[in-house]
Amino acid sequence: KAGVTQTPRYLIKTRGQQVTLSCSPISGHRSVSWYQQTPGQGLQFLFEYFSETQRNKGNFPGRFSGRQFSNSRSEMNVSTLELGDSALYLCASSLAQGGSPLHFGNGTRLTVT
Amino acid sequence: AQSVTQLGSHVSVSEGALVLLRCNYSSSVPPYLFWYVQYPNQGLQLLLKYTSAATLVKGINGFEAEFKKSETSFHLTKPSAHMSDAAEYFCAVSDRLSNFGNEKLTFGTGTRLTIIP
Repeated sequence: KAGVTQTPRYLIKTRGQQVTLSCSPISGHRSVSWYQQTPGQGLQFLFEYFSETQRNKGNFPGRFSGRQFSNSRSEMNVSTLELGDSALYLCASSLAQGGSPLHFGNGTRLTVT
Repeated sequence: AQSVTQLGSHVSVSEGALVLLRCNYSSSVPPYLFWYVQYPNQGLQLLLKYTSAATLVKGINGFEAEFKKSETSFHLTKPSAHMSDAAEYFCAVSDRLSNFGNEKLTFGTGTRLTIIP
């Protein structure tokens, strides 16, 4: 079974621009979550989608948004980029059953200059 | 609110020695607990999970962890370290009572494991 696929692997953007990251979950997984990883703040939960609905949201500004499509693929968007948005963005999918673990992709490394 | 504390941001052990990475959690109810490993420029890989079956959980690559409710701990161990174990390790907790499973994880700050040849 193919794992979680995130594209692109690397992105360089300028302050003020916007960016869209993509995530394809493991086949059969209906839940997709997004995490931001930085050296200073560690791993922080952004949001989680299940059947095209956002079920959980972390403590991030409204510039961070996401969506999920009917095939469970997900995208996240960051508008008006700031230098502090530079991070590794990780997508994870799961079966969304009690005790089922998250399976992570290799992430998208975003650099904002 | 749940939280996870990983004692020791950096741990160094000699090849062949015991690996012990510490994790303490805070949760008002028995949680789901996980250990993940991250290699450079990669995502997180699940090592093992505790979901209320056996308190001693065996994972991949020879790792295991023991859930101790009285100590609110879930320490990760491996009897004999290998050079390939060098990586960053994260402990994570999830709310067992969530209606939506355990998709929202709270992670510790991580422990970077260095193996000395």
